Amino acid sequence: QQQVKQSPQSLIVQKGGISIINCAYENTAFDYFPWYQQFPGKGPALLIAIRPDVSEKKEGRFTISFNKSAKQFSLHIMDSQPGDSATYFCAASISNFGNEKLTFGTGTRLTIIP
Amino acid sequence: DARVTQTPRHKVTEMGQEVTMRCQPILGHNTVFWYRQTMMQGLELLAYFRNRAPLDDSGMPKDRFSAEMPDATLATLKIQPSEPRDSAVYFCASGPPWSGEDTQYFGPGTRLTVL
Repeated sequence: QQQVKQSPQSLIVQKGGISIINCAYENTAFDYFPWYQQFPGKGPALLIAIRPDVSEKKEGRFTISFNKSAKQFSLHIMDSQPGDSATYFCAASISNFGNEKLTFGTGTRLTIIP
Repeated sequence: DARVTQTPRHKVTEMGQEVTMRCQPILGHNTVFWYRQTMMQGLELLAYFRNRAPLDDSGMPKDRFSAEMPDATLATLKIQPSEPRDSAVYFCASGPPWSGEDTQYFGPGTRLTVL
């Protein structure tokens, strides 16, 4: 099964708070897990990505936590800012040593309120 | 600043008409993807190419959709005949030769409305 399940569908967080978005997958062959950020009227853009050989990856205020045994991964946005308001998609692919097709989650609309 | 470009950005057409969307991948990228985004289905892959050869087009309705790469700088997605259910935003993305990272760079999309 190629599905990637994402939750919540929408999220409202106060400025300065922590935003957490969760994803779960079924296909154990997936070996690349990126998060994409999309602003209205724009294409998705890569935010951060992780491979299953590590349990956590941090880039600035953005952290991916990965739990291989549970087949789950999550995005944490620390000190959330109004500029982080966007739709976030988790995704997964099987690398095969090539840039391969992504299976996307359904998206989370994040709103950061002052 | 290298970017994926897509034309047209917006297209309104009537049911039954042919629609052609074009994509110019980032120079040097050898993988090109076509995705469709709708509220109901989210982001779904239609087809993708590597070195201009089709790798997977299983997401495309074969009877009306076709995707090609006439050369390394142009990818096209055609719908003939178009139907109202094809209304969506169509994204093209490109990716560089694999170097351990699988980053896909998305274009701004073509918003298609079929009346």
